[in-house]
Amino acid sequence: GENVEQHPSTLSVQEGDSAVIKCTYSDSASNYFPWYKQELGKRPQLIIDIRSNVGEKKDQRIAVTLNKTAKHFSLHITETQPEDSAVYFCAAKTPLSGNTPLVFGKGTRLSVIA
Amino acid sequence: NAGVTQTPKFQVLKTGQSMTLQCAQDMNHNSMYWYRQDPGMGLRLIYYSASEGTTDKGEVPNGYNVSRLNKREFSLRLESAAPSQTSVYFCASSAGSTTSGNTIYFGEGSWLTVV
Repeated sequence: GENVEQHPSTLSVQEGDSAVIKCTYSDSASNYFPWYKQELGKRPQLIIDIRSNVGEKKDQRIAVTLNKTAKHFSLHITETQPEDSAVYFCAAKTPLSGNTPLVFGKGTRLSVIA
Repeated sequence: NAGVTQTPKFQVLKTGQSMTLQCAQDMNHNSMYWYRQDPGMGLRLIYYSASEGTTDKGEVPNGYNVSRLNKREFSLRLESAAPSQTSVYFCASSAGSTTSGNTIYFGEGSWLTVV
């Protein structure tokens, strides 16, 4: 089955700096890669996603890049703000059947220092 | 439109007791999931139901049972709770299609402590 590894497990950045979180996946057939943000005590919520036919996607200060050859994808947050502090999870999904579950990475705790 | 609703939000159990976590979604989604979240372990899939009438084991199914009661509801049962089951449990749902609707929507979580 699919295996997703996420690095780093913790990340501290100064407010205004950029943050990059990287994930690798094992199944070359995976075709959907979402990122979830979980604030303290809250539920994970989707912030951005990318499909395997796209190399990069941006939404304001966040972007995701995908390298299918190397089987890795990354989340980029620019101009970080204190409200970006949270745990971020990457995930991957294989198209073996319509409803196979997402496989999540173990998460990255991002701290933005004011 | 409440999304995914799970109950209870907090529960303390004694070792050996049983309990059921309830989950319902109002988004007409086909697929539903139960995850547990432990520090440093991320989100681990316990069971999922790809569609009404089907259930499958995930990564950590031991000690749990599930029931897909209907399209809206998916319950998780702990038959004999153990301290290792102390965790935050998230129910989730998705439309389920490979070409669209892969977004998983999570409930607010249930904090379970087994003493």
